[in-house]
Amino acid sequence: DGGITQSPKYLFRKEGQNVTLSCEQNLNHDAMYWYRQDPGQGLRLIYYSQIVNDFQKGDIAEGYSVSREKKESFPLTVTSAQKNPTAFYLCASSMQGAGTYEQYFGPGTRLTVT
Amino acid sequence: ILNVEQSPQSLHVQEGDSTNFTCSFPSSNFYALHWHRWETAKSPEALFVMTLNGDEKKKGRISATLNTKEGYSYLYIKGSQPEDSATYLCAPTNYGGATNKLIFGTGTLLAVQP
Repeated sequence: DGGITQSPKYLFRKEGQNVTLSCEQNLNHDAMYWYRQDPGQGLRLIYYSQIVNDFQKGDIAEGYSVSREKKESFPLTVTSAQKNPTAFYLCASSMQGAGTYEQYFGPGTRLTVT
Repeated sequence: ILNVEQSPQSLHVQEGDSTNFTCSFPSSNFYALHWHRWETAKSPEALFVMTLNGDEKKKGRISATLNTKEGYSYLYIKGSQPEDSATYLCAPTNYGGATNKLIFGTGTLLAVQP
């Protein structure tokens, strides 16, 4: 089955700890994205990557870091510098293109930091 | 950051009713508009990608129209069924970008009563 997997589904961390969220796709897509959802807000873009070894900050990149060492994988690290890390995180991918290709989403990871 | 508005915020209809909702976005430098359906406990699913003024797309009982000159898109559902219950998200792209960077609205939550 082709698709996007995110793990784990639920993640709990203590404040001050870094945590890495996994995102893997087997769709052979060039572009990958991380979004964050908070209650009452639309999905907001954290980071995106158009090609291996390259990525760009989205609208709310502060306190996050990413890597893109393989085409299939785009892990997101939530660092202790992120002031409000508790949220639902969605990973997505698409074929390379100028905004006209569909984005495919993973099932998401709900992160709770206490 | 672009302002994307979706209305209504939520909608309750009876099975068999037809319904529609609106996505408004800045019309200047428009590039493409995405519609997604997000059912509870599932991943957002791409419905349509629209680029041309006057474009109309259809998938089963769901259709969408696009007016890029005035900056709005309508999503129509004919003969709503309980399985149509979901949040419907629209997202224009980042205007002139080759990055497939979507700006999401907060969505319209549709509940279809059997």
